[in-house]
Amino acid sequence: DAGVTQSPTHLIKTRGQQVTLRCSPKSGHDTVSWYQQALGQGPQFIFQYYEEEERQRGNFPDRFSGHQFPNYSSELNVNALLLGDSALYLCASSLFSGRAADTQYFGPGTRLTVL
Amino acid sequence: AQTVTQSQPEMSVQEAETVTLSCTYDTSESDYYLFWYKQPPSRQMILVIRQEAYKQQNATENRFSVNFQKAAKSFSLKISDSQLGDAAMYFCACLYGGSQGNLIFGKGTKLSVKP
Repeated sequence: DAGVTQSPTHLIKTRGQQVTLRCSPKSGHDTVSWYQQALGQGPQFIFQYYEEEERQRGNFPDRFSGHQFPNYSSELNVNALLLGDSALYLCASSLFSGRAADTQYFGPGTRLTVL
Repeated sequence: AQTVTQSQPEMSVQEAETVTLSCTYDTSESDYYLFWYKQPPSRQMILVIRQEAYKQQNATENRFSVNFQKAAKSFSLKISDSQLGDAAMYFCACLYGGSQGNLIFGKGTKLSVKP
């Protein structure tokens, strides 16, 4: 049973560049959430996708955008990178059951460094 | 604002002993769900245990159990018979019924296990 996978593992970019991170959900899951985890902090919710639509969004600027594909995989795009965007980006998948209590399972994350 | 607080940045336990990690949360919601996640140095966030707020019985999962005090808004994690592999960052998180998947995390507790 394949778990949540993310690519790439590590990424180094310079300020002003754009980056795309990818996530494949756990088998049987249809919902993908993205989190940003700064060093020494707990993860912060960016947004969640279900049925190829952004269902909820956290307090992140429009530079952060996403997409969900028909196979439920997802991308996180960040434009005009800032030094402060350096973080571990975590993807979590869940199975939508009509309630907000769906347990989320996390991938290994992508470490983004902005120079 | 809904918050989750972990007041112990670091904890240490002797192998085979028991340790309790603390977590408090603040919400006016009646429908919510609480989680403990473990994040080892490999970075992958692993679900340890889950508790539904409407259930009075404390959740248990093998050596892991919780002490859920709803009136005090407290949700502590007890690890029995600690093992070297338990060493990790532990995050308490809350999923509020009114949200669509926005996990709110504490800042984490770093657990060390001494042989």
